[in-house]
Amino acid sequence: EVQLVESGGGLVQPGGSLRLSCAVSGFTFSEYYMDWVRQAPGKGLEWVGRNRNKANSYSTDYAASVKGRFTISRDDSQNSLYLQMNSLKTEDTAVYYCARGGNYYYGRMDVWGQGTTVTVSS
Amino acid sequence: QSALTQPASVSGSPGQSITISCTGTSSDVGGYNYVSWYQQHPGKAPKLMIYEVSNRPSGVPDRFSGSKSGNTASLTISGLQAEDEADYYCSSYASSSTLRVFGGGTKLTVL
Repeated sequence: EVQLVESGGGLVQPGGSLRLSCAVSGFTFSEYYMDWVRQAPGKGLEWVGRNRNKANSYSTDYAASVKGRFTISRDDSQNSLYLQMNSLKTEDTAVYYCARGGNYYYGRMDVWGQGTTVTVSS
Repeated sequence: QSALTQPASVSGSPGQSITISCTGTSSDVGGYNYVSWYQQHPGKAPKLMIYEVSNRPSGVPDRFSGSKSGNTASLTISGLQAEDEADYYCSSYASSSTLRVFGGGTKLTVL
C-alpha cells in the first residue's frame, strides 16, 4: 500500500524556520517526483513546489510565493521528503500536504498524505 | 486570488447530474491536456478523481467524468450520491514559474 505521512508541523514565530518531513512507503521513492501543497485555514489548495526524481537529478521547482525561502530535498535512503521553511510569514500558516507527483514532468499528484499543520504567529 | 476560476458552489439532488467548470487561460488549462480534479471531504486530504482532462484513476466510479474545451475544463458527476458532497478543486500545469495552479474550489451540496 502506498503511504505518505507528514510530520514536523507546529507553532513558529514570524521570521522563524521549520522543517517538515514526509515519510513514504509502498513504492520506489527515487522514481517519483514529489510535491508539497498547502491549504490555509478555510482556503483552497496552493502548490508550494516539487522535487523531481533521480532520473531528473532531483532538481526542484517552486511557486513564486515561496521561492528563495523554502527548500525541498529528499533522502532516498530514508524514503523521506523534506520541506525546509525559512523566513516564515503569517501567511504561510496552513496545512501542508506532500503528494506523489508521478514519474514524468507532467505527472499527476495521485497519492496524498494526511497533512501537517503549520501556524506562524507571535 | 486563485489562478483558475471555479464556481463557489453547486448543488443537486440524489440521482441528478452536475457540472463544475474551471476556467483558465491559454497559459494553463488551454495550453495543456494536464488538468486534474480533486475531491476533498472536510478535514481530509485531497483525492485525485480525474487526471489528464478525462482519465479516471483506478477505483474512481465512472459517474465522474472530465472534459475540456478551449480554456475551460469541466467535471461532471452523474447519478449524484450523498457521499459526493465535498469540495472539488481543479488543477492544471502552467507555463510559468508556478508550474501547477489550482482553482479556488467548488463546494458541492447534495440536497
